[in-house]
Amino acid sequence: SAVISQKPSRDICQRGTSLTIQCQVDSQVTMMFWYRQQPGQSLTLIATANQGSEATYESGFVIDKFPISRPNLTFSTLTVSNMSPEDSSIYLCSVGLDSTDTQYFGPGTRLTVL
Amino acid sequence: GENVEQHPSTLSVQEGDSAVIKCTYSDSASNYFPWYKQELGKGPQLIIDIRSNVGEKKDQRIAVTLNKTAKHFSLHITETQPEDSAVYFCAASRGGNNRLAFGKGNQVVVIP
Repeated sequence: SAVISQKPSRDICQRGTSLTIQCQVDSQVTMMFWYRQQPGQSLTLIATANQGSEATYESGFVIDKFPISRPNLTFSTLTVSNMSPEDSSIYLCSVGLDSTDTQYFGPGTRLTVL
Repeated sequence: GENVEQHPSTLSVQEGDSAVIKCTYSDSASNYFPWYKQELGKGPQLIIDIRSNVGEKKDQRIAVTLNKTAKHFSLHITETQPEDSAVYFCAASRGGNNRLAFGKGNQVVVIP
């Protein structure tokens, strides 16, 4: 398995501002993903964070709104830009281990936009 | 793309009874099916998974069964305890760390 931490664990932000969320893993992993979980809802994949290249975004998500960095194999950031109340969600990173199909999730960042 | 449906949306059981949650999937190429448990305020925790080359997998009080022909898989929790109360998500993928498609989740409530 993998130990995943996220910072911040929660935040309350004003409309129009941006927040950068960090995801740190205790071991090198090939695959890192970012998900959004709206209140009481399921998990929706935002993008796959690729090390050394641009992230791969899912339909409905764009780089200008959710820029992602992946500078190495243990760390990634997701920025939620120009926030509106509709961005209030839990943002989760997950990692995939090389030898299995398994994905492990971080504890999440609970974002409230006023 | 893959569509995963999960039933029922809410399940209440008496402590000690069994709970069963069923998921159906649409993509016949899917071959990896994990189950996650999410407690309030926490991230999803992998509790069990199954690959398409087996029909059943068990880990203590938890088991998962897979019917590839009917394209459905189920989570079975026996001898339920209050700490089993959580939201359970099923997911499906084509494996190889391809994207996971999640169901909408089941709220399981174990009544002491």
